Amino acid sequence: DTAVSQTPKYLVTQMGNDKSIKCEQNLGHDTMYWYKQDSKKFLKIMFSYNNKELIINETVPNRFSPKSPDKAHLNLHINSLELGDSAVYFCASSQAGGYTEAFFGQGTRLTVV
Amino acid sequence: GENVEQHPSTLSVQEGDSAVIKCTYSDSASNYFPWYKQELGKRPQLIIDIRSNVGEKKDQRIAVTLNKTAKHFSLHITETQPEDSAVYFCAASRPPGGFKTIFGAGTRLFVKA
Repeated sequence: DTAVSQTPKYLVTQMGNDKSIKCEQNLGHDTMYWYKQDSKKFLKIMFSYNNKELIINETVPNRFSPKSPDKAHLNLHINSLELGDSAVYFCASSQAGGYTEAFFGQGTRLTVV
Repeated sequence: GENVEQHPSTLSVQEGDSAVIKCTYSDSASNYFPWYKQELGKRPQLIIDIRSNVGEKKDQRIAVTLNKTAKHFSLHITETQPEDSAVYFCAASRPPGGFKTIFGAGTRLFVKA
């Protein structure tokens, strides 16, 4: 069974469109994250949720709106896509309480044309 | 803001040699330091971690050292093999619960057979 799964794996879309990426974890973790990995492989945290509550919002444009309907899901909706949004987006989860590794999804490669 | 610097950005070694990757963190409240390996086209996965109350940890060919005073931590891989070729990320996490884990920029390791 896949621990953290995100869909779709690939997403190609035109500038100005709105798109969503879905993430689900079956590990029973309390905390979920979205990371953006650019072409230089730099991993940057975007959002962190704990028990459906937003904990971290790292100065991400408000075109990006995360939604956590329950502890096991954290979806990412992006409005008015721009060329600079092209990247690989990773969802991850971890157990709350410190000293815990993050388990990553397989990533969604978003290409904005 | 909090920052994790990682060096070198690229490292090429001959099979059988050792590889060392170094990181420096700025947030003195950080207490958990995981290392992730990301193979080409795959998700980052934890390979080893260390807590702030420990100076060194070893797991077969991989070891991590931590100098809390200097805010330095390093990954050591001995007897490198071609399958060690990947991007390695250090990270620093502060309590509570690792909500905010800051990643280094990554080191691309090439192991030449």
